[in-house]
Amino acid sequence: TQLLEQSPQFLSIQEGENLTVYCNSSSVFSSLQWYRQEPGEGPVLLVTVVTGGEVKKLKRLTFQFGDARKDSSLHITAAQPGDTGLYLCAGADDMRFGAGTRLTVKP
Amino acid sequence: DAGVIQSPRHEVTEMGQEVTLRCKPISGHNSLFWYRQTMMRGLELLIYFNNNVPIDDSGMPEDRFSAKMPNASFSTLKIQPSEPRDSAVYFCASSFDWGAYGNQPQHFGDGTRLSIL
Repeated sequence: TQLLEQSPQFLSIQEGENLTVYCNSSSVFSSLQWYRQEPGEGPVLLVTVVTGGEVKKLKRLTFQFGDARKDSSLHITAAQPGDTGLYLCAGADDMRFGAGTRLTVKP
Repeated sequence: DAGVIQSPRHEVTEMGQEVTLRCKPISGHNSLFWYRQTMMRGLELLIYFNNNVPIDDSGMPEDRFSAKMPNASFSTLKIQPSEPRDSAVYFCASSFDWGAYGNQPQHFGDGTRLSIL
């Protein structure tokens, strides 16, 4: 089993601020997935990163896969209250999830 | 198209009772996953099926838990007997050919919130 550590565990910011959350492992992954989960719902896939060093953008969200394919980051620019939720990373090799970062964006 | 459908959405029962959770995957998906989510342990993979066959059940906590997939459109997760520590949100997810293409997205249902008193 490949363990994924996510940091920070909790993050509370004001609307308009930027933030970065991290997903780290000592194992190499063929690909990593990022999901967002809102209260009362299941996780929804945001992106899959496959190539070491890859950067993918989804509107105000920027995802990066580490060169060694052991870690990934998610950067949100000008956060909005609608970004509030639990952000989870998962190794696509065995679909084990990290514990997540619980983000709250205050208006 | 309908997403992954889970039932019931909520279940409250007394310890010792049998609990059966149900899942209908997205039509055409041949990989199905059961997860359990708690604040303490996060989202844990319990078992996954490919083409109705259990592939990895290493996450199943103990013999009280069992999962079946009798056909491509239905799966159950059963707990017998249930205990208070089984209280959690249980999610079902489906994907297309996850074993062959590891980066396929998983589509989750809205979960079953289970409370064992």
